[in-house]
Amino acid sequence: GDSVTQMEGPVTLSEEAFLTINCTYTATGYPSLFWYVQYPGEGLQLLLKATKADDKGSNKGFEATYRKETTSFHLEKGSVQVSDSAVYFCALNRDDKIIFGKGTRLHILP
Amino acid sequence: DTGVSQNPRHKITKRGQNVTFRCDPISEHNRLYWYRQTLGQGPEFLTYFQNEAQLEKSRLLSDRFSAERPKGSFSTLEIQRTEQGDSAMYLCASSLVTLQGATAEAFFGQGTRLTVV
Repeated sequence: GDSVTQMEGPVTLSEEAFLTINCTYTATGYPSLFWYVQYPGEGLQLLLKATKADDKGSNKGFEATYRKETTSFHLEKGSVQVSDSAVYFCALNRDDKIIFGKGTRLHILP
Repeated sequence: DTGVSQNPRHKITKRGQNVTFRCDPISEHNRLYWYRQTLGQGPEFLTYFQNEAQLEKSRLLSDRFSAERPKGSFSTLEIQRTEQGDSAMYLCASSLVTLQGATAEAFFGQGTRLTVV
């Protein structure tokens, strides 16, 4: 069945470092792809999305490009801040369900 | 609108007891989802409703679990004869599906954390 695999954490970076969190998916056809973020003590929030191949989703300085040829949707940010510390989930939407990866915890050190 | 609301936020219960959780979606949203999240894992799909109709249930949803959305607005998730393995965060989400079938993003509540002792 459809699934999402993302890099295991935790990922620890210094403030202003470059961030990449890898995500690959397995699915038939072309699902919509998402990154959700969960800040401490809060619910899941949609960070960005892409609905077709080569689309780039972006929000709050984060970007991810839907790569059909590599079935990937890696999350990147050029300069992270302490406030970006959270758990990040890669996900796909298939048959009206959202299927999530296991999440990657990100720690940003000041 | 304050978003998706879930109650209670926390529930501690003894093994064998029944529990019920409530979800109030965003008012104009016609689709409602239930997910379960355990520590270190991503949310796992349990079931979803389109208006009042329950359209799909995951095999994770044993016969001890039942969900309803009687008037197409709020939803309840009941777990009967709780087991320690039921301890998890139960998440509700809602979205709007248009007549053309397009699904907008899903908005999640803050969840109900269940602890079975």
